[in-house]
Amino acid sequence: NAGVTQTPKFQVLKTGQSMTLQCAQDMNHNSMYWYRQDPGMGLRLIYYSASEGTTDKGEVPNGYNVSRLNKREFSLRLESAAPSQTSVYFCASSADRGWHEQFFGPGTRLTVL
Amino acid sequence: GNSVTQMEGPVTLSEEAFLTINCTYTATGYPSLFWYVQYPGEGLQLLLKATKADDKGSNKGFEATYRKETTSFHLEKGSVQVSDSAVYFCALSDRDAGNMLTFGGGTRLMVKP
Repeated sequence: NAGVTQTPKFQVLKTGQSMTLQCAQDMNHNSMYWYRQDPGMGLRLIYYSASEGTTDKGEVPNGYNVSRLNKREFSLRLESAAPSQTSVYFCASSADRGWHEQFFGPGTRLTVL
Repeated sequence: GNSVTQMEGPVTLSEEAFLTINCTYTATGYPSLFWYVQYPGEGLQLLLKATKADDKGSNKGFEATYRKETTSFHLEKGSVQVSDSAVYFCALSDRDAGNMLTFGGGTRLMVKP
């Protein structure tokens, strides 16, 4: 099983450019999440999707949009990238929302110049 | 709101040394507690968890006990190996906060041969 996959692994953008980070899971999980990881701050939740067809804001949603395309796929879009969005982005999934174990993808390292 | 505080790293140990990484939490409800580990270049993976007071989670020689009276969940291992070098994250999930995971800032462990 591939588990949780993310593309791309690395990306460099200029301020104002847009891009979409892709995430897919093959574990038939209901819930999916997007986090950003910044030094010394742990992981902060950007958006999550408790089930197919629903999305909700997390702790730091400003500047991002998401789409739960189907049960497998959950994408994160930056409409107009800013240097403050330079970070490592992780997608995760779990059987259901809550304290069930979350499975993480390998991450996307994004630099905004 | 909920928060998780971990000791700052890096923690540098020699092989076979005893490891303790401190974690304390603040929660409005009655949380479940987790330790996740992130190996270089990879996403996070669940190391162990505890869902109620006095529970002990254990895995791969690591263990942590849920102490409600001191709001702590310290990670310990009796004899570390070079392969344990990674970043360790303490996290909580609180039903009163929608069951979302709240992470600490992470502690980098470096084990020297």
